[in-house]
Amino acid sequence: QQQVKQSPQSLIVQKGGISIINCAYENTAFDYFPWYQQFPGKGPALLIAIRPDVSEKKEGRFTISFNKSAKQFSLHIMDSQPGDSATYFCAARRDNYGQNFVFGPGTRLSVLP
Amino acid sequence: SAVISQKPSRDICQRGTSLTIQCQVDSQVTMMFWYRQQPGQSLTLIATANQGSEATYESGFVIDKFPISRPNLTFSTLTVSNMSPEDSSIYLCGGTVYSGNTIYFGEGSWLTVV
Repeated sequence: QQQVKQSPQSLIVQKGGISIINCAYENTAFDYFPWYQQFPGKGPALLIAIRPDVSEKKEGRFTISFNKSAKQFSLHIMDSQPGDSATYFCAARRDNYGQNFVFGPGTRLSVLP
Repeated sequence: SAVISQKPSRDICQRGTSLTIQCQVDSQVTMMFWYRQQPGQSLTLIATANQGSEATYESGFVIDKFPISRPNLTFSTLTVSNMSPEDSSIYLCGGTVYSGNTIYFGEGSWLTVV
């Protein structure tokens, strides 16, 4: 119940293409859903986040789509660039556990030039 | 956002020894956490660092192995005790600001046990 599932494990996209990463959860107590981007040798950095009362949020080339009834959310990266090559983690906040976060297993994205 | 600094950034340690990782956060951070990220894996919460009291540990992590201190609002330490090669991981300090809406991370401490 405390897990967040994420797919695919790895993704290869051509430059200019759309990258799509999907996540799913079971625990309805999760109340905030951020995405993190991690480059090799670096800590994870917040990319974009969404609340469950919003169905979509867009920031530049990055869009989160949220389906509350299905308990699923996804990250779309439009016009993917080689600089987007990184590992992406979806996460969910467990507010009834002192505001700590559960992370998905990660997706390694490679954008080919 | 919040600024979170960790040190050491990397270390190679001998089996059976202990290492203390320090985390300094800016004043906006209210809650502090320690995560472990094993090579190629996701982040797993070790514990929540509570100011002036014992940390709250997640299932599978114990205080004897991972003692944590948080003597004030902006500083915490994690000790990895009696290390074995299985402890080779990235240890990440994270903090949430007053709204708690997101967690910010330091650069991580990359630990290799030989």
